[in-house]
Amino acid sequence: DAKTTQPNSMESNEEEPVHLPCNHSTISGTDYIHWYRQLPSQGPEYVIHGLTSNVNNRMASLAIAEDRKSSTLILHRATLRDAAVYYCILRDPLGAGSYQLTFGKGTKLSVIP
Amino acid sequence: DGGITQSPKYLFRKEGQNVTLSCEQNLNHDAMYWYRQDPGQGLRLIYYSQIVNDFQKGDIAEGYSVSREKKESFPLTVTSAQKNPTAFYLCASTDGTGAGYNEQFFGPGTRLTVL
Repeated sequence: DAKTTQPNSMESNEEEPVHLPCNHSTISGTDYIHWYRQLPSQGPEYVIHGLTSNVNNRMASLAIAEDRKSSTLILHRATLRDAAVYYCILRDPLGAGSYQLTFGKGTKLSVIP
Repeated sequence: DGGITQSPKYLFRKEGQNVTLSCEQNLNHDAMYWYRQDPGQGLRLIYYSQIVNDFQKGDIAEGYSVSREKKESFPLTVTSAQKNPTAFYLCASTDGTGAGYNEQFFGPGTRLTVL
């Protein structure tokens, strides 16, 4: 069962903001929302995570809906290096502090020069 | 610099052969993971290990085996019993202390092709 749903693909012009949506209607009260991205032929890398409040870091911002059933990853100025597949994830705990990241197909972001 | 290394980057195997993929981390992380990724798909968990000398099956463990004799090393063997082994294999690790947020770090991956 898919825990999150994302559009298959999105396009953005270079240096414009990008809003990547994610729906997670079955999220529990203790689930963090995580975003990773994967550049072509590379391993995924962490982008950002949040629980209830909006979050900012050097890479992106995460806007979380008040009911937590959806969230949006915001890249403030897309660059060509941001072209990647972006994954919105709710972790599956495995116990003892470890967890499984269940990656779906994500959203493939294309950045147009 | 701390990180995860995987070798080789590309690996070719004949049908019926076992192959071992290497994963080493110098992050002093307790937990390590192996994922498989097929073209255009997300990641699926093969095996994970939360501590040395202990490991557990993930969602798609059949045809694979692992060992965790050292904290920094978690090799994956793809056996001849794995019917469709051609895929991109990713190793990851986390601190695993359970205290606070523990980001999962990934290696660069090994692309395995069965000829």
